[in-house]
Amino acid sequence: AQSVTQPDIHITVSEGASLELRCNYSYGATPYLFWYVQSPGQGLQLLLKYFSGDTLVQGIKGFEAEFKRSQSSFNLRKPSVHWSDAAEYFCAVAPGEYGNKLVFGAGTILRVKS
Amino acid sequence: DTGVSQNPRHKITKRGQNVTFRCDPISEHNRLYWYRQTLGQGPEFLTYFQNEAQLEKSRLLSDRFSAERPKGSFSTLEIQRTEQGDSAMYLCASSPDRVGNEKLFFGSGTQLSVL
Repeated sequence: AQSVTQPDIHITVSEGASLELRCNYSYGATPYLFWYVQSPGQGLQLLLKYFSGDTLVQGIKGFEAEFKRSQSSFNLRKPSVHWSDAAEYFCAVAPGEYGNKLVFGAGTILRVKS
Repeated sequence: DTGVSQNPRHKITKRGQNVTFRCDPISEHNRLYWYRQTLGQGPEFLTYFQNEAQLEKSRLLSDRFSAERPKGSFSTLEIQRTEQGDSAMYLCASSPDRVGNEKLFFGSGTQLSVL
């Protein structure tokens, strides 16, 4: 069965500092990987996705993520965090591009201090 | 495009009561999904529809849960004889075509509190 681990429940970074949120997955085949962001009172918004090809993927809002098969990881990064990035971030895996359901990690809450 | 709409935003009920939530997907989206999110956890898949057909149900969806999508438009999720463990955020999502996951649009959810 697929599973996703986000080791950090909370992360606090200073505005302008770099950010890395960790995600490890367990899946037998090549996974389809996603990062979503959820702000209070808002629905989940897709930041970026990896299906195949270049292992470094660019997303919205200046985020990027790198797929590392050898480490079963798909970490999310941003070079300079803005206060508006404070939210909860979820990594998710799907069994395929036509998969019917996503398996989400437990999420990482990002706090940004000024 | 008005996004995925869920009603109500909040529902407080007493244990044993029945509740029903509604989801209006984005127009023309033929896939509709229900997820449940409890505090401190990521969303968990419950069920999904392709048009009006319910194609998959999670084992999380007990006999007390039923979902419908008449005419392939809006969907309802009903919980009968609610229990305190049903307290959660119920999320609806829709997607336009077979490449579902990359274009999954989520609603803001219905927060259920069972007292």
